[in-house]
Amino acid sequence: AQSVTQPDIHITVSEGASLELRCNYSYGATPYLFWYVQSPGQGLQLLLKYFSGDTLVQGIKGFEAEFKRSQSSFNLRKPSVHWSDAAEYFCAVGPNTGGFKTIFGAGTRLFVKA
Amino acid sequence: ETGVTQTPRHLVMGMTNKKSLKCEQHLGHNAMYWYKQSAKKPLELMFVYNFKEQTENNSVPSRFSPECPNSSHLFLHLHTLQPEDSALYLCASSQREGNNSPLHFGNGTRLTVT
Repeated sequence: AQSVTQPDIHITVSEGASLELRCNYSYGATPYLFWYVQSPGQGLQLLLKYFSGDTLVQGIKGFEAEFKRSQSSFNLRKPSVHWSDAAEYFCAVGPNTGGFKTIFGAGTRLFVKA
Repeated sequence: ETGVTQTPRHLVMGMTNKKSLKCEQHLGHNAMYWYKQSAKKPLELMFVYNFKEQTENNSVPSRFSPECPNSSHLFLHLHTLQPEDSALYLCASSQREGNNSPLHFGNGTRLTVT
């Protein structure tokens, strides 16, 4: 069955430090992959998406993610975290054969310390 | 302005009340969704509408009743809810069916059932 795992419930990083949020998926073929961010009191906003082609994708707010088929992973990275990046981050997977179901991970809450 | 507007932002209701959540999208999308977000749980897809037709009902109790009068509006009618239904209810839209179309979320309605 299709699934998404975000192993870290929460992560704390210092402002200016680099960030990597982990995401692993289970799916029989190459999926469509997404990262969303949710700030307190807000809905989810798309950060970036991967469908095909270059396995390193760039997103908004300086984020990037790398698709690694061999590891079934789609980790999110940012070289230098800002205090405004504190939020909850969701990895999501959609099947490439169509359909409506986007499966979300449980989320990773990012705390940024000064 | 997110393009997807949800009202009200907060709602407190008793178990015997009837209320409705409203969602409107200004993006020209053809698919609309209701998600439930509870603390420490992954996002749960509740309903999907494509071109006003319901295409997904993810085993949602009948005390939740969706309505989609047109592609821009989506309602969730609530009646005789239970305290465990307290959650953030998120509306989303996407351009078309299929999962290469990212979801655009509203800011949600925080529902508390007393």
